[in-house]
Amino acid sequence: GAVVSQHPSRVICKSGTSVKIECRSLDFQATTMFWYRQFPKQSLMLMATSNEGSKATYEQGVEKDKFLINHASLTLSTLTVTSAHPEDSSFYICSARDETSGGPSTDTQYFGPGTRLTVL
Amino acid sequence: KQEVTQIPAALSVPEGENLVLNCSFTDSAIYNLQWFRQDPGKGLTSLLLIQSSQREQTSGRLNASLDKSSGRSTLYIAASQPGDSATYLCAVSMTTDSWGKLQFGAGTQVVVTP
Repeated sequence: GAVVSQHPSRVICKSGTSVKIECRSLDFQATTMFWYRQFPKQSLMLMATSNEGSKATYEQGVEKDKFLINHASLTLSTLTVTSAHPEDSSFYICSARDETSGGPSTDTQYFGPGTRLTVL
Repeated sequence: KQEVTQIPAALSVPEGENLVLNCSFTDSAIYNLQWFRQDPGKGLTSLLLIQSSQREQTSGRLNASLDKSSGRSTLYIAASQPGDSATYLCAVSMTTDSWGKLQFGAGTQVVVTP
């Protein structure tokens, strides 16, 4: 089946630094990718929709200047957490939509393995 | 605003018993509903996808039903095994969204004891 990778899988950084997380679709092209964050024992919360070649669409309450998203190619989207603080510590998961099925009602989303961010 | 609820939040059963996981949603204007499995510290694995026009989907020991009008879906796992221990999430995509965004429930954490 389709595979989505994320890099790094785990990152620890100091407060105030920026961290970049990559999401790649390995065997299909994805015009649309999604970024989620997940707190312990909680569900996934959608942060933004990443569209190849255009600006990302952010969900209400998500700071676009804090969480920079770049979808430069059909197989790569990046999330940069700028000036990270301890409250940004979380599990970040991306997904990519395999659009060969013909539409959002039938397309399958494939999820990456997640990135654990810890900000000290 | 769509709200997705999963009950129970946690479930522990002995090996061999059948599992019944419930998911409800408040807005019936969905494209589809999916069930996922998440192992601790890992990403999501898609288990079943049910289109809004379908009533159920089956894959091996898994069966998922959908009653769109009442806003409910149930995931049945037959003859549970310790390897079924994981968190199970349901998610819906809405007809009002052209990107296919998913809205998730909080999940049911399942433990199957040998």
